[in-house]
Amino acid sequence: DAKTTQPTSMDCAEGRAANLPCNHSTISGNEYVYWYRQIHSQGPQYIIHGLKNNETNEMASLIITEDRKSSTLILPHATLRDTAVYYCIVRVGNSGNTPLVFGKGTRLSVIA
Amino acid sequence: NAGVMQNPRHLVRRRGQEARLRCSPMKGHSHVYWYRQLPEEGLKFMVYLQKENIIDESGMPKERFSAEFPKEGPSILRIQQVVRGDSAAYFCASSPEIWFEAFFGQGTRLTVV
Repeated sequence: DAKTTQPTSMDCAEGRAANLPCNHSTISGNEYVYWYRQIHSQGPQYIIHGLKNNETNEMASLIITEDRKSSTLILPHATLRDTAVYYCIVRVGNSGNTPLVFGKGTRLSVIA
Repeated sequence: NAGVMQNPRHLVRRRGQEARLRCSPMKGHSHVYWYRQLPEEGLKFMVYLQKENIIDESGMPKERFSAEFPKEGPSILRIQQVVRGDSAAYFCASSPEIWFEAFFGQGTRLTVV
């Protein structure tokens, strides 16, 4: 089962930053935090992942707390197209056979 | 570089028929994963394959379901004698290294009537 806890749903005004929290208090030292999202009826889309340092790419930023027990995905300027279910996943990096386990995620609604 | 290609996008089968779902991974990706998403539910891992080998099938139902990833050609998820409960979206993902930055296809929506 998923090792993460996320709010069920969140709203965000268009153009504002969307901050999606994730708790992973039992994370191990070699486990990464991955974020995916699923726009309605489409396949999940990889967003970003990180181990302990903050990460940024063209889609989002990932802020991981110093104790690594929680993280926040930031969409700097949310648009209507960012409305989706966002999944925070914890697993061992790019080794091992443990599959990506999707929980229930956070349903983000971006409102005009 | 084309993404993960799944076909057909929509598949309708009568109870008792066979369903074959195809997945062509991204170029250079040798790791393929299949997931199932039942209506209004989350994504559930089914099977992980590498070329010609099944690595992890812990999420596959014990009967009627099989998967393959031959040396040449797409990965195939096969469901024999389909039942209404098999109606779902089936997603395939691929990655260049095991589980690293797995990219998903658009899915095949199977409807059993």
